[in-house]
Amino acid sequence: SQQGEEDPQALSIQEGENATMNCSYKTSINNLQWYRQNSGRGLVHLILIRSNEREKHSGRLRVTLDTSKKSSSLLITASRAADTASYFCATEKNSGYSTLTFGKGTMLLVSP
Amino acid sequence: DSGVTQTPKHLITATGQRVTLRCSPRSGDLSVYWYQQSLDQGLQFLIQYYNGEERAKGNILERFSAQQFPDLHSELNLSSLELGDSALYFCASSVGTSDSDTQYFGPGTRLTVL
Repeated sequence: SQQGEEDPQALSIQEGENATMNCSYKTSINNLQWYRQNSGRGLVHLILIRSNEREKHSGRLRVTLDTSKKSSSLLITASRAADTASYFCATEKNSGYSTLTFGKGTMLLVSP
Repeated sequence: DSGVTQTPKHLITATGQRVTLRCSPRSGDLSVYWYQQSLDQGLQFLIQYYNGEERAKGNILERFSAQQFPDLHSELNLSSLELGDSALYFCASSVGTSDSDTQYFGPGTRLTVL
């Protein structure tokens, strides 16, 4: 079963707007990661946030983590057409193994 | 380019057949992971190897097996193929087994079972 569930399933915005994607998960985690996947291609790691962190920034990306609500959000500011992709959250459970459980993803379409 | 290579890019075969997917990790990475991505199941972790040894197992079917060789490349063997095995199969690699190690994904092998 999927550990992470992204919301919304799909998001369509204009260039320059901000995009926010949410992820909820079920069990306690060591960290949560966000990945991007361009259509049918491999996943690209974007950012990792540890369970003891609340917020993290990387360029135009801002990730928050609320462990009490078991949720995370990914904010992409000033979006570009090149940001069009599917975005997945992946959780690493506190299991002693570095294995990831992915959600089903949010499909982001950024129109020029 | 992640540095992880996978061959072949596409594979079309018939039900009941057996195929082998190959993965070469990034230079210096000791861990290799296999994932399956399908429309209905999403992206699922199958199995992990670290320096030649099986490290963790996910939702891998008994018809599937994998190994990591001394040169660290890995192969995923899928046998008695069924229509439902049609999917994208990704390999990823990381330096070690720490939960802070980033996994780098290959471009995937698209398997179509007819």
